[in-house]
Amino acid sequence: AQSVTQPDIHITVSEGASLELRCNYSYGATPYLFWYVQSPGQGLQLLLKYFSGDTLVQGIKGFEAEFKRSQSSFNLRKPSVHWSDAAEYFCAVGDSNTGNQFYFGTGTSLTVIP
Amino acid sequence: DSGVTQTPKHLITATGQRVTLRCSPRSGDLSVYWYQQSLDQGLQFLIQYYNGEERAKGNILERFSAQQFPDLHSELNLSSLELGDSALYFCASSVSVGGARGETQYFGPGTRLLVL
Repeated sequence: AQSVTQPDIHITVSEGASLELRCNYSYGATPYLFWYVQSPGQGLQLLLKYFSGDTLVQGIKGFEAEFKRSQSSFNLRKPSVHWSDAAEYFCAVGDSNTGNQFYFGTGTSLTVIP
Repeated sequence: DSGVTQTPKHLITATGQRVTLRCSPRSGDLSVYWYQQSLDQGLQFLIQYYNGEERAKGNILERFSAQQFPDLHSELNLSSLELGDSALYFCASSVSVGGARGETQYFGPGTRLLVL
């Protein structure tokens, strides 16, 4: 069955420090992977996505993610975190077998210390 | 702004009642998805409609139903509400059904439902 695991429930980093949020997936075929960000009281905004091709994908707000098939991972990174990056981050895998439903991880809450 | 709209933003009701949540997809999108976000269950897929027809079903209770109308807007009906139905309900849309390529889903701002 398809699933997504985000091992870190909560991460705290200092402003200007680098960031890596972990995501592991379980999917039988070629995965379609996404990272979304949710600010308090807001909907989900797409940061980036991976369908095929280059395994390092660039997204908005300076984020990037690397797909590693051998590790079933799709970790999100940012070289220098800004205070405005504080939010909840969700990794998702799209299931194209039955439609296009997404399976989401439980999310990682990011706190940024000034 | 994703282009997906949801109404109402907030809804407070009592147990046993019935409510309807409304979603308008992005212009040109044919697929609509409903998700429930709660503290204990996280983000769970409920149901997908494509061009008026049900396409995929997830963890949707029998007390819940949805439909997509000819103008492509969708409604999620929640009946016999229980305290545990309190959650944030998201609607998302995408261009087509998804198919072999997968597709980005664009999410609305959500409807926060509180059942008292």
